[in-house]
Amino acid sequence: QKEVEQDPGPLSVPEGAIVSLNCTYSNSAFQYFMWYRQYSRKGPELLMYTYSSGNKEDGRFTAQVDKSSKYISLFIRDSQPSDSATYLCAISTSGTYKYIFGTGTRLKVLA
Amino acid sequence: GAVVSQHPSWVICKSGTSVKIECRSLDFQATTMFWYRQFPKQSLMLMATSNEGSKATYEQGVEKDKFLINHASLTLSTLTVTSAHPEDSSFYICSARVRGDNEQFFGPGTRLTVL
Repeated sequence: QKEVEQDPGPLSVPEGAIVSLNCTYSNSAFQYFMWYRQYSRKGPELLMYTYSSGNKEDGRFTAQVDKSSKYISLFIRDSQPSDSATYLCAISTSGTYKYIFGTGTRLKVLA
Repeated sequence: GAVVSQHPSWVICKSGTSVKIECRSLDFQATTMFWYRQFPKQSLMLMATSNEGSKATYEQGVEKDKFLINHASLTLSTLTVTSAHPEDSSFYICSARVRGDNEQFFGPGTRLTVL
């Protein structure tokens, strides 16, 4: 079993839709949960950085962490064509500081 | 703040040659730097972790003699791909973190093509 699972997509939605992206993980020791956006041939760009369970909102983005279910989500409201990219979840523990990335979900927002 | 740069952004080399990629933290001192490799349509895979002034720690399956990592200062780490072969063609991304903080700051990546 992989340590983190993410549906690779692709996911196509119309402009203005709410997008839901998800990851599951296997080890309850993970404490840090991140979402990155990556455009083609570019480095990953941090969208959300969360610690432990709960919700965190930043503009059109909301990250949710459910540690009891080992499930993390990223919601994008009012999606725009410029949001078309690959979205990667990443998890980490304190101590090693290593990140484990999901496979990434390719999102396409249609104008 | 927290900007990480990489140089070069892309490189093409002949099989059998060595290529050096630089990773710099521009506005902070990086306690630890990480090197990742990303094949097309795949995720980032951690190759190695390097701490300033000490030897890098390589992930299982990564050849330390092929991927030489030097972290000589708190702002610079280098990855040298020795005797590169076409299968080493990939997107190499570095990241950096500061002491006491879990967050990593990522560079823009270097695309390596080995002919």
